[in-house]
Order: sequence, then C-alpha cells, then structure tokens
Amino acid sequence: EAGVVQSPRYKIIEKKQPVAFWCNPISGHNTLYWYRQNLGQGPELLIRYENEEAVDDSQLPKDRFSAERLKGVDSTLKIQPAELGDSAVYLCASSFGLAGGSYNEQFFGPGTRLTVL
Amino acid sequence: AQKVTQAQTEISVVEKEDVTLDCVYETRDTTYYLFWYKQPPSGELVFLIRRNSFDEQNEISGRYSWNFQKSTSSFNFTITASQVVDSAVYFCALSEANTGGFKTIFGAGTRLFVKA
Repeated sequence: EAGVVQSPRYKIIEKKQPVAFWCNPISGHNTLYWYRQNLGQGPELLIRYENEEAVDDSQLPKDRFSAERLKGVDSTLKIQPAELGDSAVYLCASSFGLAGGSYNEQFFGPGTRLTVL
Repeated sequence: AQKVTQAQTEISVVEKEDVTLDCVYETRDTTYYLFWYKQPPSGELVFLIRRNSFDEQNEISGRYSWNFQKSTSSFNFTITASQVVDSAVYFCALSEANTGGFKTIFGAGTRLFVKA
C-alpha cells in the first residue's frame, strides 16, 4: 500500500514569492493534517481536515497561508507571499478514524523542505 | 493546557547499551492519548505506539518498551540493546479533546545517536 505522498520534496524561493505544496494521503484515510516543523522542533499543526472540512485551522496564519482539500482526498497548502521565517519542513499526515479524532496514529509523508531566501 | 516536555535534547550511546527517553506531559483532561514517533534521517515520522489514559499497563515490543505512569505524568520509552539503526529523532506526542475534536501536540524531540 502506498504511503502519504508529498511534492515537491524541496523548494527554494525568494521572499515574497508564492509557493504551494501538494499531498496525497493514504487511500481511505478521512483525516488529513498539515504540520510545520522548524529545525530542532517537533511538528506543529497548521490545519486538520476531516473529509473536505477544515475542523481545526486555529494555528494557520490566515493572512498568508491557505489550504484546500477538494473532494476530501488530495490537499494543497499555499503560502503567498512567503517570508524568511517560513523556512521549515512542511509535513502532511493522514489517519483514519471517527469524526473528532486525531487520537489515532498518524501516517506521515516525507515532507517538503522549504527555503526562503 | 496541553504540553509535552522531552528534556533530553540529544543522547549518545554505544551499540548494545540500553537507553531511556523521557517524556513528561501536562493535560487537564481525563481522556487523552499518548504516542511515540520515530523520525529517521529520511524525514518521515513513523508511528511506534499509542496509549490511552485509562490503560497504564506497560508494553514491550521486541527491544522497545514503554512505561506509562499517570502519577508522574510520564510516558518513557526504553530501547534495550540499542543498534545503529535506532539512531533517529524520537517524538512523544499528546492528543487531548479540544474544540473540533482531539488535538495532537508534539514534544521537541530527543535525538538519539547510537555509535557502533
């Protein structure tokens, strides 16, 4: 069974440019997460989807970040415009569970390492 | 408020040594879940174990064992007879009920170096 797929793996952009990350979760997983992981830190949740609905986006900087999960499968995370402080690894994860979960184990993709110059 | 503390930033051991990674958590809820994940150099976090707050039974899986103690709010992870392949960053995580469902937060991680 294929795992969580993310692309691109690496991205280097100049500040103020837009950037987008794509995630394809494990087939059948209804919950999808986007995390940001800064160097030497644990992942921090940006947004959690249950099917098509964003049920927790309290940590998403909405002035520059946006996300969508059309049809409840693939998801895209966008930053526009990017700032120097956005340099980090952006991780996508998925899980299967009842509504209101993120108490089940999560399966992570390899991440996208973003460098903003 | 939710909080996970992994006080050990880095640990270095020689192969075949036993090593324990500490995790202390804070939560207001009586229902919560605790996790350990491994992040090898490739970057993907790999799930190791989940424990719910009502199950304090310790668990052993091969060379891995976990000690959950609610009295001290700790969920420690021990690797017995460590191997070079165990070198990775290990994260402890806590999931508790929040607006919109359970929310998971991760500790800062402990980087384990196992030398041959």
